[in-house]
Amino acid sequence: DSGVTQTPKHLITATGQRVTLRCSPRSGDLSVYWYQQSLDQGLQFLIQYYNGEERAKGNILERFSAQQFPDLHSELNLSSLELGDSALYFCASSAFQGNTGELFFGEGSRLTVL
Amino acid sequence: TQLLEQSPQFLSIQEGENLTVYCNSSSVFSSLQWYRQEPGEGPVLLVTVVTGGEVKKLKRLTFQFGDARKDSSLHITAAQPGDTGLYLCAGAGSNYQLIWGAGTKLIIKP
Repeated sequence: DSGVTQTPKHLITATGQRVTLRCSPRSGDLSVYWYQQSLDQGLQFLIQYYNGEERAKGNILERFSAQQFPDLHSELNLSSLELGDSALYFCASSAFQGNTGELFFGEGSRLTVL
Repeated sequence: TQLLEQSPQFLSIQEGENLTVYCNSSSVFSSLQWYRQEPGEGPVLLVTVVTGGEVKKLKRLTFQFGDARKDSSLHITAAQPGDTGLYLCAGAGSNYQLIWGAGTKLIIKP
């Protein structure tokens, strides 16, 4: 158990819809990262927050947005969903501001867009 | 743009065989991490290498960081079915961001 909690574990929705994925980081970790992983592929970095502030941005689509709340949990919002958005979405947390320390990953949220 | 190339992308071998996975770049990294991801789970850190030429061992797994800190390898001796998974390398880039390889999917057949 990494200590990172993600909900929901599975989500099936239709094209054009909007979903919200939730992440609770490990206790004490201030950084939260979001990654997208398509079938049997590597990780695509989407965005990082540190203590409520956006810290780094990767290949995140304009249809996607995220935020980190004062209690440090984070939400990833995906809107106008397309078939190609079907993937595993991982949240990771770290004690560090920079993205070079050990990342602790949640079990992921599997999104299926039909 | 810093890139990390992992090879091979896919490897299927018999139990008991040895294997090596490579992670290469033209860029220098201050450190490099190796993660293993099992089906249905998130990646888990195996090791971090920091010094050029560094070798770290984790039971049957041997990790090496190149002298120039541009490449790394993971060698598994006498592979077991429990080693099956996706192996990912990630390098600490110049802007303090992790640069991820595309992963090596490893299947060990009993």
